[in-house]
Amino acid sequence: GAGVSQSPSNKVTEKGKDVELRCDPISGHTALYWYRQRLGQGLEFLIYFQGNSAPDKSGLPSDRFSAERTGESVSTLTIQRTQQEDSAVYLCASSLYGRVGGEQFFGPGTRLTVL
Amino acid sequence: GNSVTQMEGPVTLSEEAFLTINCTYTATGYPSLFWYVQYPGEGLQLLLKATKADDKGSNKGFEATYRKETTSFHLEKGSVQVSDSAVYFCALHSMEYGNKLVFGAGTILRVKS
Repeated sequence: GAGVSQSPSNKVTEKGKDVELRCDPISGHTALYWYRQRLGQGLEFLIYFQGNSAPDKSGLPSDRFSAERTGESVSTLTIQRTQQEDSAVYLCASSLYGRVGGEQFFGPGTRLTVL
Repeated sequence: GNSVTQMEGPVTLSEEAFLTINCTYTATGYPSLFWYVQYPGEGLQLLLKATKADDKGSNKGFEATYRKETTSFHLEKGSVQVSDSAVYFCALHSMEYGNKLVFGAGTILRVKS
């Protein structure tokens, strides 16, 4: 079946503009995660959605970052007033139940470049 | 808090050489441990995992054993191939600190023919 998809694959924007990144998880997966991978660094957690529970936003680096998820489907990560330090690859992952030990399936990522 | 430390790269090996990539973690309790791999131009994918102490995860000739006593999950392969060239990430997952993967910085592996 289809894996996790993300769009756009690449986004170049000017400092100060807003951007929206989209994630389509695997159908039926209740848990959805956003991570960020800055150049030469590991992945850092941003936000986690599980079913209808309140999302875990503890990894969002500032209030310029927000995310929404429609039911158990599409998620959108929004970055307002982008800064150059926001340049990174943004990765979305989904898992069946969000349990510890369960596999997270990653999308190909969106490479964001802020000029 | 939780953290994952893995050996710095890049690691450069000749084909058929033995590979070890060290990974140690700090966590209370018993996290699940993972190795993810990112091949050039591809997305991150699970390589192997272990969910309890002394478990051994294995896949594609790679192995890693969950060692609670040394808080380690070292990745090994007996004979690497050029196609194993990739970035390898060690990660842990524990509900105790939030339901998320905590990743190491990644280790670049380059295998020469």
